[in-house]
Amino acid sequence: SAVISQKPSRDICQRGTSLTIQCQVDSQVTMMFWYRQQPGQSLTLIATANQGSEATYESGFVIDKFPISRPNLTFSTLTVSNMSPEDSSIYLCSDLSPRYGYTFGSGTRLTVV
Amino acid sequence: GENVEQHPSTLSVQEGDSAVIKCTYSDSASNYFPWYKQELGKRPQLIIDIRSNVGEKKDQRIAVTLNKTAKHFSLHITETQPEDSAVYFCAARRARNTGFQKLVFGTGTRLLVSP
Repeated sequence: SAVISQKPSRDICQRGTSLTIQCQVDSQVTMMFWYRQQPGQSLTLIATANQGSEATYESGFVIDKFPISRPNLTFSTLTVSNMSPEDSSIYLCSDLSPRYGYTFGSGTRLTVV
Repeated sequence: GENVEQHPSTLSVQEGDSAVIKCTYSDSASNYFPWYKQELGKRPQLIIDIRSNVGEKKDQRIAVTLNKTAKHFSLHITETQPEDSAVYFCAARRARNTGFQKLVFGTGTRLLVSP
């Protein structure tokens, strides 16, 4: 399957600060996605990262809070801005490749204190 | 938009028994239905998928069935083993030519296989 490297794997952050999560895939992919997964719950799509243009956000998620970049076909970042304890969660990136379908990164466990 | 419902939320079986997890979807334009297994603290891993042009697919102890008319699909695990214990998620996606490539996930089923 495709390989996605996601970092950091975990972080503890102060409220009001921002954290940028990175995902690097090992081959060119058509699409990249960012999800949030609360403990014991399902995956909720935050946005689709579009290469060279603004991300497409799902209902309830806004660019000011979750800015996303995708400068090329193999790399994307998600920033969680002005964090509050409610942002504590696991954040996962995913890609879609013609060969391997959807693959997930290992996740970033974020705790906001 | 698409809505995917998944049942049961928890499922406990004895080793060697079969397990069945069911999902229903709302968007008739959906044509791709993957199943993911997520072990504690790990990423979701694709275990099997099915497209709308087939009604059933098998891979060793795992099978998926699809009823397009009723808009539901099911995961069947036979001869369960303790290592099958995990959370299982179903998902649905529209056809690629619709421009919608995102997966919509079900709420998950926690499967516990007791020795």
